[in-house]
Amino acid sequence: ETGVTQSPTHLIKTRGQQVTLRCSSQSGHNTVSWYQQALGQGPQFIFQYYREEENGRGNFPPRFSGLQFPNYSSELNVNALELDDSALYLCASSPGTANTGELFFGEGSRLTVL
Amino acid sequence: SQQGEEDPQALSIQEGENATMNCSYKTSINNLQWYRQNSGRGLVHLILIRSNEREKHSGRLRVTLDTSKKSSSLLITASRAADTASYFCATGRQTGANNLFFGTGTRLTVIP
Repeated sequence: ETGVTQSPTHLIKTRGQQVTLRCSSQSGHNTVSWYQQALGQGPQFIFQYYREEENGRGNFPPRFSGLQFPNYSSELNVNALELDDSALYLCASSPGTANTGELFFGEGSRLTVL
Repeated sequence: SQQGEEDPQALSIQEGENATMNCSYKTSINNLQWYRQNSGRGLVHLILIRSNEREKHSGRLRVTLDTSKKSSSLLITASRAADTASYFCATGRQTGANNLFFGTGTRLTVIP
């Protein structure tokens, strides 16, 4: 158990809809990173939040957006869903920026877009 | 895009044998990490090796790092059926990005 929780665990949406995924970070961690993992692939970095500010973004379009709250929990929002957005979305927390140490992952949210 | 590539993509061994997985990457790093993922679930951190280290051990795990070749290997000794999972290497770059870059993974199957 990493102490990182994600919700919902599974959800199904249709093309064009919007989705919000939630993540509670491990106690004491002020950085949250989001990753997208397509079937059979490695996780791809979406963005990272540090103390409520976005401080890094991968190669994802602006319809992928996020928030971090004062308690360091985070949301990932995806607008105008496309079929290719079907994936496992992973949240990870860390006590500092994610390139310097271990990441603590949640179990993920499995999104299916029909 | 992925930072690294694992090799092989899939590996099947008998229980008790050793499993070796390799990872190659492209840019200068400050650390390299290995993670394990059971089918469709979250990733679990296994071990971290810093760029100034060459070898590290943790239980049945042994990791090596060769920064001149931009490669790493993960050795799991005396494998067990419970080691069946996907294994990913991830790199933290020295400059330009403050996230981890994951490879494509090796799917390990340990046959009882």
